[in-house]
Amino acid sequence: ETGVTQSPTHLIKTRGQQVTLRCSSQSGHNTVSWYQQALGQGPQFIFQYYREEENGRGNFPPRFSGLQFPNYSSELNVNALELDDSALYLCASSLWATSGSFHNEQFFGPGTRLTVL
Amino acid sequence: QKEVEQDPGPLSVPEGAIVSLNCTYSNSAFQYFMWYRQYSRKGPELLMYTYSSGNKEDGRFTAQVDKSSKYISLFIRDSQPSDSATYLCAMNKGTGGFKTIFGAGTRLFVKA
Repeated sequence: ETGVTQSPTHLIKTRGQQVTLRCSSQSGHNTVSWYQQALGQGPQFIFQYYREEENGRGNFPPRFSGLQFPNYSSELNVNALELDDSALYLCASSLWATSGSFHNEQFFGPGTRLTVL
Repeated sequence: QKEVEQDPGPLSVPEGAIVSLNCTYSNSAFQYFMWYRQYSRKGPELLMYTYSSGNKEDGRFTAQVDKSSKYISLFIRDSQPSDSATYLCAMNKGTGGFKTIFGAGTRLFVKA
C-alpha cells in the first residue's frame, strides 16, 4: 500500500508569484483534502476534492484553487502569493465509498513547506 | 472564540508517566473525533478515531469523548521519549465535505 506523497518538499517564492503543489493520494482512496498549517498552529482546511470536483471549502480566498485528476492525484494552486501564505501545506486522502457510506479517517502526506519572501 | 480549543503546552513529563491531553469544542454538531501525532516538520499521523461519545483503547493510547461536556481526551500510558511530539485533536460533522477542524496542538516532551 502506497502512502500519501507530496512534491516538492520545500519551495521558496517571492510575493506576487504563483505556485503549484502536488499530491498523490493513498492507494484505494478517492478523496483529497488540502490544509494550510502555519507555524505553531493546527492545520486549517482549505478545500476537498471528490470525483474531480471541489466538495467543500474553508475560509480561503479564490486565489487558492485546486484540481483533482482521474487517478485521484491533486494539485493546489495559489496565485498572487502573499507573505502570510508561508506555511506547511498538507494533503490528506480518504475514502468516500460509492454506497454512500464514507470512511472519515484521513491520512496525511509529509507536506510542502512554502516560504514567501 | 475558536471552535476547538487546545492548550498548546509545552507539557513535560518523565518517562513512564501517564499523559493526559485535552480539547474542548463549541459546535455540538461534531460527531467524529480524531487525535493526530505530528513530529517536527512532518505530516500528522492518525492515532485514534472515535465516533460520538465513549472510550476507545489502542495499546498505550485511550481516547475519551464526552459530548455532553464538549470535551475530548487522549491518555498515553507508560509514556516513552519517542512519544515526544505535537498532539493535535481534530473533529468534524461527518457529512460531505470532511471539513475537519483542528486544535492548535499540544507539544509533549517525555524525558528519559
